[in-house]
Amino acid sequence: DIQVTQSPSSLLASLGERVTITCQTSQSISNNLNWYQQKPGQAPMLLIYYATSLQTGMPSRFSGQYSGRSFTLTITSLEPEDIANYFCLQHYSAPFTFGSGTKLEIK
Amino acid sequence: QVNLLQSGAALVKPGASVKLSCKASGYTFTDYYIHWVKQSHGKSLEWIGYINPNSGYTNYNEKFKSKATLTVDKSTNTAYMELSRLTSEDSATYYCTRRHFDYWGQGVMVTVSS
Repeated sequence: DIQVTQSPSSLLASLGERVTITCQTSQSISNNLNWYQQKPGQAPMLLIYYATSLQTGMPSRFSGQYSGRSFTLTITSLEPEDIANYFCLQHYSAPFTFGSGTKLEIK
Repeated sequence: QVNLLQSGAALVKPGASVKLSCKASGYTFTDYYIHWVKQSHGKSLEWIGYINPNSGYTNYNEKFKSKATLTVDKSTNTAYMELSRLTSEDSATYYCTRRHFDYWGQGVMVTVSS
């Protein structure tokens, strides 16, 4: 199975700050990774697909990059509505596996 | 617009089974696999498996092979997941999601308790 290591597990940031979350996979998955935002009591919402593509309707302050087995989600300027849990998903090969999540809070 | 509507919350006794539903609308049901995902304690997520609504072909996470059974009813555009021999470890929120994991159902909370 492909392991996905996500960091940090929690993050305190100030409004307007640049935020970066990372997922590292245990083997190469090309660009087959998605990023999600999940708010309490809600279903996950797709932010970024195939590592770098912004889902329609999502704010442009969200972006994704990757290099080899390392994937990053960046929020260029943190807004109050960005407070949520974020996680990644590798959909390269089954069993598909998720990162352990990052809880993003306001400092 | 794409929508996956899941059945309501379930309270079930240990040892029993429960069948969850996921009704799709806004797209051609048979064009997209349906995945099922488990979220425990509001945090960690696990992929359970997927079903091809067109052929009925299924692919399960080894961990859930003896726990979950995936089926579909093409006449009603509905996917089902039956969970059997329930224990407290099965208490979680379960989501259905479409191929590519783009659209998700609202989730259904299953609580296993006597």
